[in-house]
Amino acid sequence: QKEVEQNSGPLSVPEGAIASLNCTYSDRGSQSFFWYRQYSGKSPELIMFIYSNGDKEDGRFTAQLNKASQYVSLLIRDSQPSDSATYLCAVAYNQGGKLIFGQGTELSVKP
Amino acid sequence: EAGVTQSPTHLIKTRGQQATLRCSPISGHTSVYWYQQALGLGLQFLLWYDEGEERNRGNFPPRFSGRQFPNYSSELNVNALELEDSALYLCASSPTGGARETQYFGPGTRLLVL
Repeated sequence: QKEVEQNSGPLSVPEGAIASLNCTYSDRGSQSFFWYRQYSGKSPELIMFIYSNGDKEDGRFTAQLNKASQYVSLLIRDSQPSDSATYLCAVAYNQGGKLIFGQGTELSVKP
Repeated sequence: EAGVTQSPTHLIKTRGQQATLRCSPISGHTSVYWYQQALGLGLQFLLWYDEGEERNRGNFPPRFSGRQFPNYSSELNVNALELEDSALYLCASSPTGGARETQYFGPGTRLLVL
């Protein structure tokens, strides 16, 4: 069983719509959760992080964490073609150090 | 503030050779991480260095090794290269290695093994 799982997509949404990206993790010792965006041929860049249950909003992005269900999601409102990329969910444990990444979800926003 | 830098950007080697990849963290960061991103396999954790010491190691063979220098820069060495080592190697840094710290990634070194 993979430690961090994401739907590989591709997820296609029209411009202006809400894109919903989901991630589940297997280890209840997970402490911190990160969403990175990776454009083709580039390195990952941080979108958001979340540590506590509930929602965290930053501009058009909202991260949601439910530790009981071991589920973290990223909502992108008013999706733009420039949001087209692969979104990586990453999990860190209490002892720090490594991030465990999901396989990534490819998002395509159609004009 | 300068970000994480890596060199070289591209590296071509033949099977059996050794490769050395270099990374400079963000100023003030003491933790450096190495990840491998092979086609279809996602980002896999390789190594974590902090304050000059290896703190954690991923599920990779011993021919993947590295070190961290007193100025916190790091190098990754891959010995006896195999074709499947062809990948994007990403370096990241964070302030001290805590679980709640964001890891910032460099542009990567693309290694091709022929």
